[in-house]
Amino acid sequence: GAVVSQHPSWVICKSGTSVKIECRSLDFQATTMFWYRQFPKQSLMLMATSNEGSKATYEQGVEKDKFLINHASLTLSTLTVTSAHPEDSSFYICSASGRQGPQETQYFGPGTRLLVL
Amino acid sequence: GDSVTQMEGPVTLSEEAFLTINCTYTATGYPSLFWYVQYPGEGLQLLLKATKADDKGSNKGFEATYRKETTSFHLEKGSVQVSDSAVYFCALSDRGAGSYQLTFGKGTKLSVIP
Repeated sequence: GAVVSQHPSWVICKSGTSVKIECRSLDFQATTMFWYRQFPKQSLMLMATSNEGSKATYEQGVEKDKFLINHASLTLSTLTVTSAHPEDSSFYICSASGRQGPQETQYFGPGTRLLVL
Repeated sequence: GDSVTQMEGPVTLSEEAFLTINCTYTATGYPSLFWYVQYPGEGLQLLLKATKADDKGSNKGFEATYRKETTSFHLEKGSVQVSDSAVYFCALSDRGAGSYQLTFGKGTKLSVIP
């Protein structure tokens, strides 16, 4: 099946710093990537949808200036948490769908756990 | 809007017991339905899916049938194993809405004890 990777898997940072998370589709071209946030014991909350070469579409309540998303190529999307604060600590998960894989099936990355001190 | 409702957990079963996790949905279009599984400390993995009414998705002994008349997609397994302990998410993708965004249920935690 399709493989999606995320890097890093774990990150600890100081409050006020920015953190970049990468999401890569390893064996297919992802025209669309999704970024989710998961709180402990809760479901995934969609943050934004990004299409290659265009601006991301953010869900209501998600600050686009705080969570910068770039989808520069068909295999890479990045999420940058700017000026991170402790309340941004969470599990961030990306998914990808697109060419060479069923468009309507999303393949998920393993997630990135962010801890802001 | 679209929504997914799945039975609240946690669910605790003995090994080899029969598993059912209920899932019902509401959608404006013609959704595809999915079950994802999340093992401890890992991301989500697609377990099975069905794209139209009466389709049955199956994988690793798990099955779910797309029932349009009852708007349901219940997950079943005849004999669970300890390794099936995980959180299971029911989800839909509503093509009629012009998007492949997933709408998730809240997840059901399954614990299988030896």
